[in-house]
Amino acid sequence: DADVTQTPRNRITKTGKRIMLECSQTKGHDRMYWYRQDPGLGLQLIYYSFDVKDINKGEISDGYSVSRQAQAKFSLSLESAIPNQTALYFCATSSGSQETQYFGPGTRLLVL
Amino acid sequence: QKEVEQDPGPLSVPEGAIVSLNCTYSNSAFQYFMWYRQYSRKGPELLMYTYSSGNKEDGRFTAQVDKSSKYISLFIRDSQPSDSATYLCAMSGSGSSNTGKLIFGQGTTLQVKP
Repeated sequence: DADVTQTPRNRITKTGKRIMLECSQTKGHDRMYWYRQDPGLGLQLIYYSFDVKDINKGEISDGYSVSRQAQAKFSLSLESAIPNQTALYFCATSSGSQETQYFGPGTRLLVL
Repeated sequence: QKEVEQDPGPLSVPEGAIVSLNCTYSNSAFQYFMWYRQYSRKGPELLMYTYSSGNKEDGRFTAQVDKSSKYISLFIRDSQPSDSATYLCAMSGSGSSNTGKLIFGQGTTLQVKP
């Protein structure tokens, strides 16, 4: 079984709709992250959480919100989706004692 | 100017070639350097991890860090078609400035032709 899972894997939605992307991990890591990936731009950090009570904005948090429901679960919401939020979204985890991050398989989002 | 610069390619080489992938960076506080490999429609997977300067070898892969030049490299020997993927460099700081955040390059797309 995968250590970091994301649901859904693919999603098509319309402008103005609220959607939620979910991430779960079985690695026992305390830190979790949400990134988006666009062609030619690499990975950009949206939000990160070092534990359940600690949530921080990343480089591009506008238009997004997150919820850390438990150590193992971290959700990303688009309150009112817009077309330029069409991208590939990745969840990642890390241990506080290590620098390396481990990524989920991604969610491909299309906003029409 | 971006903190981390990486030539996006694409880079196309014949099977068996030696591949050199590079990143430059501007933040001298970076101490941890990583290379991730991302296959099409998959999440990035950690390939190599290096702390501070020096070389690290793992099979056909060698990672080099030159902090004086703010330059890191990944070498792939005897490249195989299965190495065809996008390679992302990533780095972060340490000590009191460490937030656990990784800064990624744009990624280089590599194609190894049989």
